[in-house]
Amino acid sequence: SQQGEEDPQALSIQEGENATMNCSYKTSINNLQWYRQNSGRGLVHLILIRSNEREKHSGRLRVTLDTSKKSSSLLITASRAADTASYFCATDGGNNRLAFGKGNQVVVIP
Amino acid sequence: NAGVTQTPKFQVLKTGQSMTLQCAQDMNHEYMSWYRQDPGMGLRLIHYSVGAGITDQGEVPNGYNVSRSTTEDFPLRLLSAAPSQTSVYFCASSSATSGGPGNGYEQYFGPGTRLTVT
Repeated sequence: SQQGEEDPQALSIQEGENATMNCSYKTSINNLQWYRQNSGRGLVHLILIRSNEREKHSGRLRVTLDTSKKSSSLLITASRAADTASYFCATDGGNNRLAFGKGNQVVVIP
Repeated sequence: NAGVTQTPKFQVLKTGQSMTLQCAQDMNHEYMSWYRQDPGMGLRLIHYSVGAGITDQGEVPNGYNVSRSTTEDFPLRLLSAAPSQTSVYFCASSSATSGGPGNGYEQYFGPGTRLTVT
């Protein structure tokens, strides 16, 4: 079943601005992961946050996790045209089976 | 390392035909999986394997078969293609079969196979 649900589903921003995406889920999780997909390509792993973590950083990426609200957010700071892609959250209930959301399309305008 | 490779990149089938989508990884990963991606639906898990000789069903297994005779290969078979199986198929692998409480491992995806069934 679809677990992660991203919000908003489409985002258009100017280069240099920040982009924030949210993801909600319904059941308990072991970890939550964010992936990026460029048009016509496979998914690339961005960041993984474990259920006992609240915030994680990786370069220009910042992920938060609120297990009490069953939600996560992905922030991309100082966006670049190369960040134009679809972003997916995926939840892992503990058996390595990922349940993906429908994805967030981000367009960064140069 | 080539990572996860998939063949073919594109395929057109007629309804009722069968075919096998190939997936291979050279990272010695135990866990491999197949997803399909449809517009507006995200990725849905078809089948997965936690090691050679072990496979299990995912969310949408009907119409597909898998086998895992080696660690490297995880082919997906369409038994009798239907237009509803028109989709983009992704294979993925991971180094762990079970993350355990608080753990987890990233999955590496192949480039995908775009399948059209007419």
